[in-house]
Amino acid sequence: QKEVEQNSGPLSVPEGAIASLNCTYSDRGSQSFFWYRQYSGKSPELIMSIYSNGDKEDGRFTAQLNKASQYVSLLIRDSQPSDSATYLCAVYSWDTGRRALTFGSGTRLQVQP
Amino acid sequence: NAGVTQTPKFQVLKTGQSMTLQCAQDMNHNSMYWYRQDPGMGLRLIYYSASEGTTDKGEVPNGYNVSRLNKREFSLRLESAAPSQTSVYFCASRETGGYTFGSGTRLTVV
Repeated sequence: QKEVEQNSGPLSVPEGAIASLNCTYSDRGSQSFFWYRQYSGKSPELIMSIYSNGDKEDGRFTAQLNKASQYVSLLIRDSQPSDSATYLCAVYSWDTGRRALTFGSGTRLQVQP
Repeated sequence: NAGVTQTPKFQVLKTGQSMTLQCAQDMNHNSMYWYRQDPGMGLRLIYYSASEGTTDKGEVPNGYNVSRLNKREFSLRLESAAPSQTSVYFCASRETGGYTFGSGTRLTVV
């Protein structure tokens, strides 16, 4: 079982809709959770971080964390064509002994004009 | 601008050749990382350095070596390149919170 799992997509939504991206993780000891956006041919860019259960909002982005279900999601409201990219979920856990992020393989989002 | 600088941006190697990928950050971060990214595989950790003077293996360290030269610089060396090392390589740094990534090195081994 992969440590961090994401649906590869593509997830296609119309412009103005809400895009919902999901991620599950296997290590119950995980403490920190991040969402990165990566445009084709570019490096990942941090867009959200979340550390405690519940919702965290930043502009059009909302991150949701449920540690009991080992689930983290990213909602993008009022999706724009410029949001079309691959979204990477990343998880940080002290318990693995590896002080580094573990990434999912990413979900490709396509926003249709 | 503050950030993580990687060189070179592109490189073609022949099988068996060696090379060093350079990475430098000017944000005074303690931790630095090397990842490779392959289609459908996501980002996989090669090596990391939690602080100056320390390095640790990640998920896919075979065929690579690293040097944390000082707090700013963390290099990745391929001693004898193989076609399986064809990939995009990203360096990143972190103090707390998420990473800041460099722009990447696209390496092709023929």
